[in-house]
Amino acid sequence: DQQVKQNSPSLSVQEGRISILNCDYTNSMFDYFLWYKKYPAEGPTFLISISSIKDKNEDGRFTVFLNKSAKHLSLHIVPSQPGDSAVYFCAASVGSSNTGKLIFGQGTTLQVKP
Amino acid sequence: DSGVTQTPKHLITATGQRVTLRCSPRSGDLSVYWYQQSLDQGLQFLIHYYNGEERAKGNILERFSAQQFPDLHSELNLSSLELGDSALYFCASSVDRGPGETQYFGPGTRLLVL
Repeated sequence: DQQVKQNSPSLSVQEGRISILNCDYTNSMFDYFLWYKKYPAEGPTFLISISSIKDKNEDGRFTVFLNKSAKHLSLHIVPSQPGDSAVYFCAASVGSSNTGKLIFGQGTTLQVKP
Repeated sequence: DSGVTQTPKHLITATGQRVTLRCSPRSGDLSVYWYQQSLDQGLQFLIHYYNGEERAKGNILERFSAQQFPDLHSELNLSSLELGDSALYFCASSVDRGPGETQYFGPGTRLLVL
């Protein structure tokens, strides 16, 4: 049962353009959503998060949008840079839980072409 | 560098064997999480320890066990290894135990079972 889904395994964009990575979830108990970036041979690195009381959170070139009614979130990267090429994972956790365990999507490989 | 260390970086062993993976959390972090990433899979939550106590379990096999020691480092023990246990094993740490906390990941241990 895949509670967090990233339906696009890969995405390719041109340097300077916008990258939009999408994520859908099925569990309405999820309250916190996070995006992680992963380079080969490294562990995931935290990028940005959003709680369910917000619909948008911005940090520099990265913005996460949350649409609770659609159970959908997206990560926008503007402008995209070649160094952004990596695998991006969205993850979710249940707010009322006594654990911060994360449920991850399958990941989307982003390639930013110079 | 996330501040989370994992040893060993690589491990090659045979079916039926037992291995121990070690994780040292960031200084001051009380929670340690273990995740498994198999080929073409997202990260799967295994187990969460907070200040020495087990807080949550995911789909962790009975052949797998973990503990967190008084100095807060954690070990993941994998026994009666099977070919399908070959994967990347990540640990992550966070300050507290709740949802919404940023988890910082180590570089992972790559396990290959032959």
